[in-house]
Amino acid sequence: GENVEQHPSTLSVQEGDSAVIKCTYSDSASNYFPWYKQELGKRPQLIIDIRSNVGEKKDQRIAVTLNKTAKHFSLHITETQPEDSAVYFCAVSGYSTLTFGKGTMLLVSP
Amino acid sequence: ETGVTQTPRHLVMGMTNKKSLKCEQHLGHNAMYWYKQSAKKPLELMFVYNFKEQTENNSVPSRFSPECPNSSHLFLHLHTLQPEDSALYLCASSQVREAQTDTQYFGPGTRLTVL
Repeated sequence: GENVEQHPSTLSVQEGDSAVIKCTYSDSASNYFPWYKQELGKRPQLIIDIRSNVGEKKDQRIAVTLNKTAKHFSLHITETQPEDSAVYFCAVSGYSTLTFGKGTMLLVSP
Repeated sequence: ETGVTQTPRHLVMGMTNKKSLKCEQHLGHNAMYWYKQSAKKPLELMFVYNFKEQTENNSVPSRFSPECPNSSHLFLHLHTLQPEDSALYLCASSQVREAQTDTQYFGPGTRLTVL
């Protein structure tokens, strides 16, 4: 089955800095790569996703890049704000099921 | 948000109790999922229902029994649970099209404590 590795497990940054979270996967047939944000006590919510026919996607301060050859994709958050503090999960899917990474706890200090 | 709802939000039960978790999706999706989320663990997929048919059961113990009466409702029946089953149980739904995965939308979860 699919194996997803996510790094780092925790990430502390100062407000205004950039944050990068990276995931690697094993199944070259995977074609959908969403990122979820989960605030404390709340449900995971999709923040951005990318499909295998695209190399990069951006939405305001958030971007995702995909390298299919190397089988890794990354989440980039620029100009971080304290409200960006949360756990971020990457996921990988080939059809109907998602395999999740273990999550990255992002802490943004004012 | 009302896209995917779950009840109850919190549940405390003894090891000999029988209880059920309920999930309802109002998004017109054709697939529904149960996940278990424990501290310091990734989201673990438990069951998948596609067009009301169970398509995946990830080696989940038989003390967890899913039921999907229609494409909008999903239940997880619990009996004879163990303390290690204490976790957040999340329901999700998505629209599955041929060879194409769409986004999964999560419910708020049920925080389960087994005494």
